[in-house]
Amino acid sequence: ILNVEQSPQSLHVQEGDSTNFTCSFPSSNFYALHWYRWETAKSPEALFVMTLNGDEKKKGRISATLNTKEGYSYLYIKGSQPEDSATYLCSGNQFYFGTGTSLTVIP
Amino acid sequence: GAVVSQHPSWVICKSGTSVKIECRSLDFQATTMFWYRQFPKQSLMLMATSNEGSKATYEQGVEKDKFLINHASLTLSTLTVTSAHPEDSSFYICSARPRGRSSYNEQFFGPGTRLTVL
Repeated sequence: ILNVEQSPQSLHVQEGDSTNFTCSFPSSNFYALHWYRWETAKSPEALFVMTLNGDEKKKGRISATLNTKEGYSYLYIKGSQPEDSATYLCSGNQFYFGTGTSLTVIP
Repeated sequence: GAVVSQHPSWVICKSGTSVKIECRSLDFQATTMFWYRQFPKQSLMLMATSNEGSKATYEQGVEKDKFLINHASLTLSTLTVTSAHPEDSSFYICSARPRGRSSYNEQFFGPGTRLTVL
């Protein structure tokens, strides 16, 4: 079992602001971290999978980093847009999920 | 591509009845499907792993006789909540892994099913 925690629980930002949130996990027995984007009433959508310490992934305005030695990953959104409003989930070792960060971007 | 559907999206039933939830991979074959449950303000919790043509593997604390899983084809897995009680009210969501993908690849999730037991 991997205890995955996410912070903050929720976040409100103005359109155009950049933001970031954290996923933390125990570094022992870790092998993979996934980020998902989950809009209300839709399916969670995979954003990134990272496995190596120092991994950085980017998709458009969204990027993520991984530090396996200290047990955390950051998700960054640059220039937030209203359509970025969603819950962002991370999971450690595929099956152990955090409670998510709910992002609301105010136009 | 990689679309997973779930049916129904919500269901209300009386205590003591059984409810079946379907999970379908629409445009790919899935040798493995996963079932999760999420209570309010909690994280997704893996209930069981469903492999096509074999018995499901249940996580510790999940009653296999209460949550029956059938994965009869490469595109369909079903979860039946038997003799449902109010404490079974939850959000149930499935995911599927395409055939041939490595275990590090992402799972493709369905949109979930909200079960309310009266």
